[in-house]
Amino acid sequence: GENVEQHPSTLSVQEGDSAVIKCTYSDSASNYFPWYKQELGKGPQLIIDIRSNVGEKKDQRIAVTLNKTAKHFSLHITETQPEDSAVYFCADSGTYKYIFGTGTRLKVLA
Amino acid sequence: KAGVTQTPRYLIKTRGQQVTLSCSPISGHRSVSWYQQTPGQGLQFLFEYFSETQRNKGNFPGRFSGRQFSNSRSEMNVSTLELGDSALYLCASRFGTAMNTEAFFGQGTRLTVV
Repeated sequence: GENVEQHPSTLSVQEGDSAVIKCTYSDSASNYFPWYKQELGKGPQLIIDIRSNVGEKKDQRIAVTLNKTAKHFSLHITETQPEDSAVYFCADSGTYKYIFGTGTRLKVLA
Repeated sequence: KAGVTQTPRYLIKTRGQQVTLSCSPISGHRSVSWYQQTPGQGLQFLFEYFSETQRNKGNFPGRFSGRQFSNSRSEMNVSTLELGDSALYLCASRFGTAMNTEAFFGQGTRLTVV
């Protein structure tokens, strides 16, 4: 069935370093992959997304890459800051519902 | 432009009771989806509404139901509450039904069943 694997489950980085979170999906027909950031006590916030017709998208310190052949997509955060600390979820748009990864708790150490 | 609004933010209910949660989507958005978030199961799809019609339903028992009004506001209802229904309930709004368009989540309703 539809499945999204997300790694790592936790990630600690020093402020200013980069962070990379990876996801693997199973549905070859998937064509839209959003990333959400969820802070404590809040709902998921869409931070970046990518469609299958591009391999990379960048928005300031955040970038997402997509490898359709390998069914991998990754979130890259450069120059991390303490406010980047949160749980990050990848998602596969699926046929009619989002299939979410299990989340990555990112801690940026000052 | 206002975001997705969910009310109430917090609820405490007793087993066996029922509860109704509300979601007001972003103005102009006609699709509303509901998700349940728990530490053990993560984010799980409940159902989706578009133009007052349920388009899709996740793998939840019939105690979970919903509806959508003509102004696109949506409600979900859980009857005969169980302890395991304790979760953060999130709704997401989307302009249309195409899955390759952005979905925006509300802050959620934290339901605690005691």
